[in-house]
Amino acid sequence: DTEVTQTPKHLVMGMTNKKSLKCEQHMGHRAMYWYKQKAKKPPELMFVYSYEKLSINESVPSRFSPECPNSSLLNLHLHALQPEDSALYLCASSHPGLSGELFFGEGSRLTVL
Amino acid sequence: KNQVEQSPQSLIILEGKNCTLQCNYTVSPFSNLRWYKQDTGRGPVSLTIMTFSENTKSNGRYTATLDADTKQSSLHITASQLSDSASYICVVSVRAGNMLTFGGGTRLMVKP
Repeated sequence: DTEVTQTPKHLVMGMTNKKSLKCEQHMGHRAMYWYKQKAKKPPELMFVYSYEKLSINESVPSRFSPECPNSSLLNLHLHALQPEDSALYLCASSHPGLSGELFFGEGSRLTVL
Repeated sequence: KNQVEQSPQSLIILEGKNCTLQCNYTVSPFSNLRWYKQDTGRGPVSLTIMTFSENTKSNGRYTATLDADTKQSSLHITASQLSDSASYICVVSVRAGNMLTFGGGTRLMVKP
């Protein structure tokens, strides 16, 4: 199984809503990532979890809250988002250290109204 | 500052033709360089990973080259197909840590 599965594929939410994006992988990878991608731009790193511990937080606003319940799951909790947060949110996983392959999920397309 | 520059930003070619995409980087210390293909609205898919000692690596109709001295890489697509229409992203990783530097991508359109 070489897949990273993200749900939901599409999400529309208001600025007062609370929602979550979910990511799952069963490749035994111990590093998982959240990226944000705007149209026609490369992905921007948001968070990195290594061995289920947050190792990198790229100065992301607190309205985005990551969670890594176990080695296979990664969540991104969303609260009080702004319209400019609308983007494609990509989850990825790899063996720690990035010497090997980085596998991306299909992404969750988020629209904030 | 670690940077990855890709050229051209966009490219239109006819089906069946070849094309070459360029990637220049200033990332240090270098660990590896990856080329990803990203269809619109989808997640990136890896095409190749190249380490310092590798000069050329092929994956079907895709051939990547790496010149670690000049810090340049290219991705050559042979006999293009309509399904090659996508963004191609060059990503360079530093030795140690979980840091990747993404290029801005080349948007390729293959027309019939």
